[in-house]
Amino acid sequence: DTGVSQNPRHKITKRGQNVTFRCDPISEHNRLYWYRQTLGQGPEFLTYFQNEAQLEKSRLLSDRFSAERPKGSFSTLEIQRTEQGDSAMYLCASSFHEEGLFFGSGTQLSVL
Amino acid sequence: ELKVEQNPLFLSMQEGKNYTIYCNYSTTSDRLYWYRQDPGKSLESLFVLLSNGAVKQEGRLMASLDTKARLSTLHITAAVHDLSATYFCAVQTSGSRLTFGEGTQLTVNP
Repeated sequence: DTGVSQNPRHKITKRGQNVTFRCDPISEHNRLYWYRQTLGQGPEFLTYFQNEAQLEKSRLLSDRFSAERPKGSFSTLEIQRTEQGDSAMYLCASSFHEEGLFFGSGTQLSVL
Repeated sequence: ELKVEQNPLFLSMQEGKNYTIYCNYSTTSDRLYWYRQDPGKSLESLFVLLSNGAVKQEGRLMASLDTKARLSTLHITAAVHDLSATYFCAVQTSGSRLTFGEGTQLTVNP
């Protein structure tokens, strides 16, 4: 296992389209997190799962965003009807309980 | 709402010099993290500080935590060009979420 894996690395889409990102955490980690980072800023928390349960969502996560983690393994983050303001790096991280978070390389989303 | 503030936000220093980055946070927390991020890359974990007075060192970097003052420092000793990156502190609150500072963009000049 080489760490947290995210796909795709880059996504360019037109405004109004739907996009889906995938995250594969480190295999023994039970917690999985999604963050969003814009240029020049620190990452902002979006949501997190413990196993398959989504335990917390930020108010940043509008109704157009949905995240799932079926079977407590990989996770997907879907954005519906994308807007230009959704352009950002979407980072996934995983941890074993409350131990340190390990981040993936991120998916860079550009909405035209 | 938890606020995490770093200063300075931009730091340009010469090789061989020492400097300190400061991280202040507004509410009680059990854990504080320092991460490094290179341009276009993800975040690399540097240190996890778990208790008041904790000090950790790795190479030219040393991090400390004062929970009473709600302050952490990242000290750079005899900087080298390879340390050029953006450094983030992040505070962990209940539910495991991390709240990040804005980051300190460090440039080490020859």
